[in-house]
Amino acid sequence: DQQVKQNSPSLSVQEGRISILNCDYTNSMFDYFLWYKKYPAEGPTFLISISSIKDKNEDGRFTVFLNKSAKHLSLHIVPSQPGDSAVYFCAASGGANFGNEKLTFGTGTRLTIIP
Amino acid sequence: DTGVSQDPRHKITKRGQNVTFRCDPISEHNRLYWYRQTLGQGPEFLTYFQNEAQLEKSRLLSDRFSAERPKGSFSTLEIQRTEQGDSAMYLCASSPRGGRETDTQYFGPGTRLTVL
Repeated sequence: DQQVKQNSPSLSVQEGRISILNCDYTNSMFDYFLWYKKYPAEGPTFLISISSIKDKNEDGRFTVFLNKSAKHLSLHIVPSQPGDSAVYFCAASGGANFGNEKLTFGTGTRLTIIP
Repeated sequence: DTGVSQDPRHKITKRGQNVTFRCDPISEHNRLYWYRQTLGQGPEFLTYFQNEAQLEKSRLLSDRFSAERPKGSFSTLEIQRTEQGDSAMYLCASSPRGGRETDTQYFGPGTRLTVL
């Protein structure tokens, strides 16, 4: 069963506009969420995370929003730049509090920024 | 500042052969994780260590797979009698100990295994 879902396999956005990537989860034990960016032939690179005690976390051009009641999170990138073109993975963890630190990943969304 | 390193980056082998991969985590990171990623999927958890202790193994890790972290530093992942279904990217990650920050895992570049 897919506990973390990224329903959009791909997304194209004009340079300078906002990119919004979405992620849904089903396991209510998840309490820590992360976004990773992946270029071809490289490992995932950590972007930003959010704990379940927050509903928003911002880091430069990247903002993650968490809606616990809907079990939904989103990553906003603004303004989008050509270097943002990559595959983005949403991941979730039960966290150290539950002794379950493994990450469960979604299937990824390929973001293409159009110059 | 060196990140997580993995060796080799690519491995091509024939079915039935044994292969071994190495991962060197970020220094002073107590936790080390192995994941596997196949085409079109996100990484899937295989196993993780805290120091030298292997604390959890996924059911994906069949008897042909074994992982070690003998001195709590680098780790090896061995696959015996490889099968074509083992073809994948094998990713290693590490994380520090203590507090919420332990949940942020930093990944290496991966080892791409192709079984012919």
